[in-house]
Amino acid sequence: AQKVTQAQTEISVVEKEDVTLDCVYETRDTTYYLFWYKQPPSGELVFLIRRNSFDEQNEISGRYSWNFQKSTSSFNFTITASQVVDSAVYFCALSEVKNQAGTALIFGKGTTLSVSS
Amino acid sequence: KAGVTQTPRYLIKTRGQQVTLSCSPISGHRSVSWYQQTPGQGLQFLFEYFSETQRNKGNFPGRFSGRQFSNSRSEMNVSTLELGDSALYLCASSLGRGSGELFFGEGSRLTVL
Repeated sequence: AQKVTQAQTEISVVEKEDVTLDCVYETRDTTYYLFWYKQPPSGELVFLIRRNSFDEQNEISGRYSWNFQKSTSSFNFTITASQVVDSAVYFCALSEVKNQAGTALIFGKGTTLSVSS
Repeated sequence: KAGVTQTPRYLIKTRGQQVTLSCSPISGHRSVSWYQQTPGQGLQFLFEYFSETQRNKGNFPGRFSGRQFSNSRSEMNVSTLELGDSALYLCASSLGRGSGELFFGEGSRLTVL
C-alpha cells in the first residue's frame, strides 16, 4: 500500500537556523512522483517541488533544497537560514502514475514549522 | 493568471442537510481534483474529474459526489451531512497530463452542527 510518513509533527527554530523536514514513503510501483507542498494559514496549498522516481538528482532552489534517496525511500526537504515567513505546515505527497492518468496524491500528515525572530 | 477559485469559503450546516461546493479551475486546466482536510485524517483524496468524466475516486462513501461541467468548473456535493464531514475541502486544478503539478484553491471550510 502507498503511504507517506512525516514523523516530525512540529518543529520550532529561531530565524537563520537551518531545518530539515523528513519524509519517508512506501510504494510498490517503480514509477511515481513525489511532491512537497506548503500550507500557510490562508489554507491554500502551495506547490514547492515535484520529483519523479527516475530522477534522484538533488535540487536546490534558493534557500530550499531537496534530497531524494530511493535506497531509503526518503525525500527530505531542507530550508537554509530559515525566516519567519517560512512558518507554515509542510506536506510531502506521493502520486503513482497509472496509465498516464490521474493526479491522486497521498499526503503525509504534515510538519508544522514555526520560525521565531 | 487567475488562480483556482472556490465558493463559498465558509459555511455552516446542520446534520442531515446537504451541501454543494463549487470550484473554478485555472483557465485551460481540464482536471479538477477534490481533497478533504481534517485534523484527524489529514488530507485525503476524494475524486478527480477530467473532461467531465470522473477519472479517479478515493475511499469515501457514496454521500460524496461530484461533477464537472463543459467549462471545467466542478461541483462537489455531500448529502445527509454528518458531524464528521466538518472539514476544509480543497479543490485543485491541473492540465491533467499524468501526475503534474496541482494548483490548489484556498478551500471551503464546512462546519456541521
